[in-house]
Amino acid sequence: VTLVESGGALVQPGGSLRLSCAASGFRIDEYAIHWLRRPPGKGLEWVARITWDTSSLDYADSVKGRFTISRDNGKNSVFLQMNSLRGDDTAVYHCARGLRWSQSLGWFDPWGQGTLVSVSS
Amino acid sequence: EIVLTQSPGTLSLSPGERVTLSCRASQSVSGGYLAWYQQKPGQAPRLLIYGASSRATGIPDRFSGSGSGTDFSLFISRLEPEDFAVYYCQQYEKSPETFGPGTKVDIK
Repeated sequence: VTLVESGGALVQPGGSLRLSCAASGFRIDEYAIHWLRRPPGKGLEWVARITWDTSSLDYADSVKGRFTISRDNGKNSVFLQMNSLRGDDTAVYHCARGLRWSQSLGWFDPWGQGTLVSVSS
Repeated sequence: EIVLTQSPGTLSLSPGERVTLSCRASQSVSGGYLAWYQQKPGQAPRLLIYGASSRATGIPDRFSGSGSGTDFSLFISRLEPEDFAVYYCQQYEKSPETFGPGTKVDIK
């Protein structure tokens, strides 16, 4: 069971970026998938979640209205579209697997290695 | 949101020692909805404990967790060289899920 993120880059403030999370060893349509981030020198922050049945898409207040989570079952991948990027969005972004067939909050297991997003002019 | 604090910030220990790490929540985490993770430099966080005291798959039995309400602990019965890392607690009682700032366990 693994998750591999890609798509991180250096982008200017106000710009957009799309992160990808490729899952293997399990089906993303059976599990919640989350995006989390760690800004440099700061702690871990949960960013967004898509539940197994896509009935719930949730976001941290800090990204609501700017970030969109989605998935492609055929590619077994989850995406994070990030618009109107700001300096405080600079972070290593991880995707992680949540609970199976559940709407409940839970733990994250496993995590991907992460992809670096840098927002700077 | 529920704020988690961890103490101490850093622990300097020797292999073979017993470790107790603390995680305190700003409000009750009922049902023991608390997890612990280990992270080493350059690696993703690794789930150790969920439900306050249940070991994740493949985690050695030298790791254990306990606690309820607002106070939780992670124990390592006997430190192995590979256990030197940063440890984080995470609550999933209320959205958003939040993490503590971490405790670094380094070699004395």
